[in-house]
Amino acid sequence: EIVLTQSPVTLSLSPGERATLSCRASQSVSTYLAWYQQKPGQSPRLLIYDASHRATGVPARFSGSGSGTDFTLTISSLEPEDFAVYYCQQRSNWLTFGGGTKVEIK
Amino acid sequence: EVQLVESGGGLAQPGRSLRLSCAASGFIFDDSAMHWVRQAPGKGLEWVAGINWNSDSIGYADSVKGRFTISRDNAKSSLYLQMNSLTAEDTALYFCAKGTAAGSYTNNWFDPWGQGTLVTVSS
Repeated sequence: EIVLTQSPVTLSLSPGERATLSCRASQSVSTYLAWYQQKPGQSPRLLIYDASHRATGVPARFSGSGSGTDFTLTISSLEPEDFAVYYCQQRSNWLTFGGGTKVEIK
Repeated sequence: EVQLVESGGGLAQPGRSLRLSCAASGFIFDDSAMHWVRQAPGKGLEWVAGINWNSDSIGYADSVKGRFTISRDNAKSSLYLQMNSLTAEDTALYFCAKGTAAGSYTNNWFDPWGQGTLVTVSS
């Protein structure tokens, strides 16, 4: 099973700041990696797939990069609605999720 | 608009069974694989089971293999999860999610997700 490790566990930032979230895979997943956003009391929402492709309706301030074992989700300038938990997921070998990164208001 | 509405959750005693349902609308149901993903209270996401468009490709997480059965009825645009021999570790919010591929349950992203149905296993 491929293990996805997300860091940091919690990221404390202010609106307008840049957020950089990391997801590291225990073995290469090529670019078969996605990012999801989950707000409190809501279901997850697909943000990024195939490492760098924004899903329909996702604002351009969200971007994904990486390949192999190291991936990054960047939010260029945090909006109030972006404070949430973010999960990465791989589909290279089975289907697994990372443990999540909570982006909270500083 | 794609809609996924889960039902069937509730309180079950350890060792008992529950059957979850997911009613889909707004898309061609038999063009998509479908999945169940769960989230224990205050925890992260865990993929539970997936099924391809015609039910000939099915997979389960090791944690539920042999106890849970995923199925679908394309004529009714519905997805099901039969959960047997429940334990406290199965307590979670269970989400139905549409897969982004049809032919296999494995090469999928999950988009969109339903709102979930809560399963609580306790004596």
